[in-house]
Amino acid sequence: EPEVTQTPSHQVTQMGQEVILRCVPISNHLYFYWYRQILGQKVEFLVSFYNNEISEKSEIFDDQFSVERPDGSNFTLKIRSTKLEDSAMYFCASSGASGVTDTQYFGPGTRLTVL
Amino acid sequence: AQKVTQAQTEISVVEKEDVTLDCVYETRDTTYYLFWYKQPPSGELVFLIRRNSFDEQNEISGRYSWNFQKSTSSFNFTITASQVVDSAVYFCALSALAGAQKLVFGQGTRLTINP
Repeated sequence: EPEVTQTPSHQVTQMGQEVILRCVPISNHLYFYWYRQILGQKVEFLVSFYNNEISEKSEIFDDQFSVERPDGSNFTLKIRSTKLEDSAMYFCASSGASGVTDTQYFGPGTRLTVL
Repeated sequence: AQKVTQAQTEISVVEKEDVTLDCVYETRDTTYYLFWYKQPPSGELVFLIRRNSFDEQNEISGRYSWNFQKSTSSFNFTITASQVVDSAVYFCALSALAGAQKLVFGQGTRLTINP
C-alpha cells in the first residue's frame, strides 16, 4: 500500500540554524501539506501546496518557512533560522487528484528539536 | 471560522468496555468533511474515517462505529469491546469542501485501555 515517507525521523539543530525536512508524498497525489504538532498539543495546519505553488498558509507559516517541490517526488519544508519554539513534530500529508474531495494521508513525522 | 472541540482530554477504561469519544464542531460552511485520525504511541497519524456533511448515516467498521448528528454538530466515535491496542490519542478533524482543504483538528482525546 502506498504511503507518505518523511526523512529524517528526528532532527536536532541549534537555534538559528536552517533545517530542511523532506517528504515523499504518495506518487499519484497532487496536493501536499505540512502540519506541525507541538508536544502534547493538537495538530496545526501550516501550508498547502498544489501545482507548484502555495494554495493556503496559516499564520504560523511566516517568512522563516518555505516549501518546495524540487523534483517529481520530493516535497520539502525549510525553516531558515530555527527558534526554540519551532521544536515540534512536523507531518507531511498528501491527497489525490480530486483534491478537496480526497482524504489526506500522513507521513510518520519528523521530530524537530531546537536547542 | 472552523473549530473542533474534543472535551474529553483523557479517558481510561478496562479492556472489553465500550467507550465513546466525543467531537463537536463549528463551521459556517454548508458542505464539509469530518474525519477521525488515530495517533498511537509511535506517533504517526492513521486515518480512520471520513464523512461528508450530506451523509448522516452512521457507520460501523468492525468494533468501530461513528455517529454523525448534524443537528447537534457532533461526530462521535465509539469503540466496542475495547482492546489494549486501541490505546492512542484520537483526533477529530474538519475540512471545508472548498479551498485548500486544510484540516482543522481538535485537541485530541488520549484513550488508555487497561488490561
